[in-house]
Amino acid sequence: GDSVTQMEGPVTLSEEAFLTINCTYTATGYPSLFWYVQYPGEGLQLLLKATKADDKGSNKGFEATYRKETTSFHLEKGSVQVSDSAVYFCALSPRGAQKLVFGQGTRLTINP
Amino acid sequence: KAGVTQTPRYLIKTRGQQVTLSCSPISGHRSVSWYQQTPGQGLQFLFEYFSETQRNKGNFPGRFSGRQFSNSRSEMNVSTLELGDSALYLCASSWDSGAGTDTQYFGPGTRLTVL
Repeated sequence: GDSVTQMEGPVTLSEEAFLTINCTYTATGYPSLFWYVQYPGEGLQLLLKATKADDKGSNKGFEATYRKETTSFHLEKGSVQVSDSAVYFCALSPRGAQKLVFGQGTRLTINP
Repeated sequence: KAGVTQTPRYLIKTRGQQVTLSCSPISGHRSVSWYQQTPGQGLQFLFEYFSETQRNKGNFPGRFSGRQFSNSRSEMNVSTLELGDSALYLCASSWDSGAGTDTQYFGPGTRLTVL
């Protein structure tokens, strides 16, 4: 079945450091790919998405590129801030189905 | 535009009871999905409703059920509660173009504690 694997956390970085959170997926066909973020005590917020191969999603300085050949959708940010501290989830939506399959989440802590 | 709302935000129940959670989607959204979030299992898909019909279903026992009304509002019900049902239950809505590419927008969740 469809699945998503994220790099294990937690991840702790200093402010202004470069961030990469790895995400790989297994799916039949061509799923859509998403990154969601969850702040303490809140629901999930969409961070970015890509719906076809080689698409790059970007938002708030975060970027991820849909790589079909490596089945990956790694999240990157050039300079993190304390306010980026949260849990990040990679997810896929199978083509033609309104359902999300999530990775296990990566807790990110940014120290000033 | 108002976001997805869920009620109640917190619930405490005892084993064997049943519970009903409510979700109001973003205006105009036709698809409503439910997810369970626990520390051990992470985020898992429960089911999805579109036009008052269950269209997709996850791998949960029949104690978990749901429905959608004509105004797209949705409820989920858990009968015969077990301790392991303690979780954050998230509702998400989307427009639904039929391609599976639409963004799902999440509500704040209902925190269910089973004692």
